[in-house]
Amino acid sequence: NAGVTQTPKFQVLKTGQSMTLQCAQDMNHEYMSWYRQDPGMGLRLIHYSVGAGITDQGEVPNGYNVSRSTTEDFPLRLLSAAPSQTSVYFCASSRRTDSNQPQHFGDGTRLSIL
Amino acid sequence: GQQVMQIPQYQHVQEGEDFTTYCNSSTTLSNIQWYKQRPGGHPVFLIQLVKSGEVKKQKRLTFQFGEAKKNSSLHITATQTTDVGTYFCAGPAGTYKYIFGTGTRLKVLA
Repeated sequence: NAGVTQTPKFQVLKTGQSMTLQCAQDMNHEYMSWYRQDPGMGLRLIHYSVGAGITDQGEVPNGYNVSRSTTEDFPLRLLSAAPSQTSVYFCASSRRTDSNQPQHFGDGTRLSIL
Repeated sequence: GQQVMQIPQYQHVQEGEDFTTYCNSSTTLSNIQWYKQRPGGHPVFLIQLVKSGEVKKQKRLTFQFGEAKKNSSLHITATQTTDVGTYFCAGPAGTYKYIFGTGTRLKVLA
């Protein structure tokens, strides 16, 4: 039972490069989300999805795109990387879309932008 | 906008001492969740509280939800080195959104 799988675990980019962080879950969860974690700021919601084909913005969406073509996958795209996007990125999923469900997190992607 | 603050930001305790972290929301929450993140790891769900004044226990951990449903606390009795990590509270922030607290980093000195 893999749970939530994120790839890659580490990545270094140059300013202006683009890349996609992958997230897949095998629990048939409806709700998936992306967070970034910066020191002293907790976890901030970037984008979320309540089902295949449905996505919406969170607290800090600028500079990021998402799509949800299947229930299992929820990739996060950085269009033109900036040093301010250096962070640890976590993908999470939960069974239902109501806020009464625990979220299951992946191991994270540690991203550095030079 | 809605804010969830946690205090303290850091706490160092001697092994065997008690520890408490407090979570305060600017708005009333329908429920509150607590997560633990070990150093270098990912957040792991601990518990959810729903009712006003609710108290739940998990071994040495005691969780409380305030009467006004705007604050919560996590108390650890007789800390152990395995308790090291960052503890986050989280609550709903509108439809389909969660907001996480700023976290309390606990260090336990053996």
